[in-house]
Amino acid sequence: DAKTTQPPSMDCAEGRAANLPCNHSTISGNEYVYWYRQIHSQGPQYIIHGLKNNETNEMASLIITEDRKSSTLILPHATLRDTAVYYCIVRAGFNKFYFGSGTKLNVKP
Amino acid sequence: DTAVSQTPKYLVTQMGNDKSIKCEQNLGHDTMYWYKQDSKKFLKIMFSYNNKELIINETVPNRFSPKSPDKAHLNLHINSLELGDSAVYFCASSQVSGQGDTQYFGPGTRLTVL
Repeated sequence: DAKTTQPPSMDCAEGRAANLPCNHSTISGNEYVYWYRQIHSQGPQYIIHGLKNNETNEMASLIITEDRKSSTLILPHATLRDTAVYYCIVRAGFNKFYFGSGTKLNVKP
Repeated sequence: DTAVSQTPKYLVTQMGNDKSIKCEQNLGHDTMYWYKQDSKKFLKIMFSYNNKELIINETVPNRFSPKSPDKAHLNLHINSLELGDSAVYFCASSQVSGQGDTQYFGPGTRLTVL
């Protein structure tokens, strides 16, 4: 059911930017791209979302390509506490979020 | 203040028993959800309630029954528990708007059926 494709894992050095890619080539014009993360077995944590413009908040930046078929989540200065599974989600229908397998980000000292 | 809370955090029970998990949100949201995360870590939506009305009911055994006494609460009752029901159950809430509906998740309830 998931409409997104993410790499299964990525490594990042502490203090460096982490760039997490996501492909959503079948996204519809009114569908938003959401990013969540899950640390260990805690509840998923909202990070950011966007429709077509780039977005930035205190946690991260979201870059969406002009054709909207892919996006990149950027954590500008990764810390060890950012180690988690990151989910890219396209909102598929009213209220339905489909979580795929996500990207396991390993931040290393 | 905890935005979305669940009780209990851990639940260990025998096959065949009936159990309930409670969820409360203090965000003033109009929509609440139950998700199940199995041992393979896939997170799947089970139910969604909007203003106390069921709006999403995925393919879930009818042993699972959500109940929403008011907008701030969505409880999950499970009858005749089976081994395969062992999982982490997450509650979430959101406020639907024209800018999408960001969902906020609770800490989860780890259910173990023996």
